[in-house]
Amino acid sequence: QVQLQESGPGLVKPSETLSLICTVSGGSINSYYWSWIRQPPGKGLEWIGYIYYSGSTNYNSSLKGRVSISVDMSKNQFSLKLTSVTASDTAVYYCARDRGILGIDPWGQGTLVTVSS
Amino acid sequence: EIVLTQSPATLSLSPGERATLSCRASHNISTYLSWYQQKLGQAPRLLIYDTSNRATGISARFSGSGSGTDFTLTISSLEPGDFAVYYCHHRSSWPPVLAFGGGTKVEIK
Repeated sequence: QVQLQESGPGLVKPSETLSLICTVSGGSINSYYWSWIRQPPGKGLEWIGYIYYSGSTNYNSSLKGRVSISVDMSKNQFSLKLTSVTASDTAVYYCARDRGILGIDPWGQGTLVTVSS
Repeated sequence: EIVLTQSPATLSLSPGERATLSCRASHNISTYLSWYQQKLGQAPRLLIYDTSNRATGISARFSGSGSGTDFTLTISSLEPGDFAVYYCHHRSSWPPVLAFGGGTKVEIK
């Protein structure tokens, strides 16, 4: 059974770079799309971007220029970097497997990242 | 860009009642719609994919219907564990861009 786990700092200073890693266990990252999705406190879900195992990416246009996603197949991990963060980037960040028409499943448990000085 | 609008924002019902949640797409998305349940403090969980297919382990009390721009998630008889927030989701085929609805909170009346 595939499981995902996010890891990274829970506190980032304004203007700095948010960096998170998602580790995939129980299966290979060598297929499917892999997404990052975030949820500000008390609000809805926002798609950040995805990476295909081949390395192709696409990002939410509202974040373009600040976001990059990469994959490390040797470690079965994919990563998120979000630059020049502000308080509005405070959110629970989820990594998830995107199975296309079959839906997004599974999701990681999520990690809260707070942007504050 | 597809925009998904969910209604109502909040649904107040009693256990045993039927819940009907709506998701409307700004453009025709065929049947490419999924539904997720999110309980407080937890990650979303896939309920329904491709409009009407239940995910593994999901109760038959959950059903989905619709096509084109109008979609419905029905919970036939609410149980205590069903009170949560529900999101609809669409993934466009190319480029693969994901959109979520704003969510419907199903609360105990």
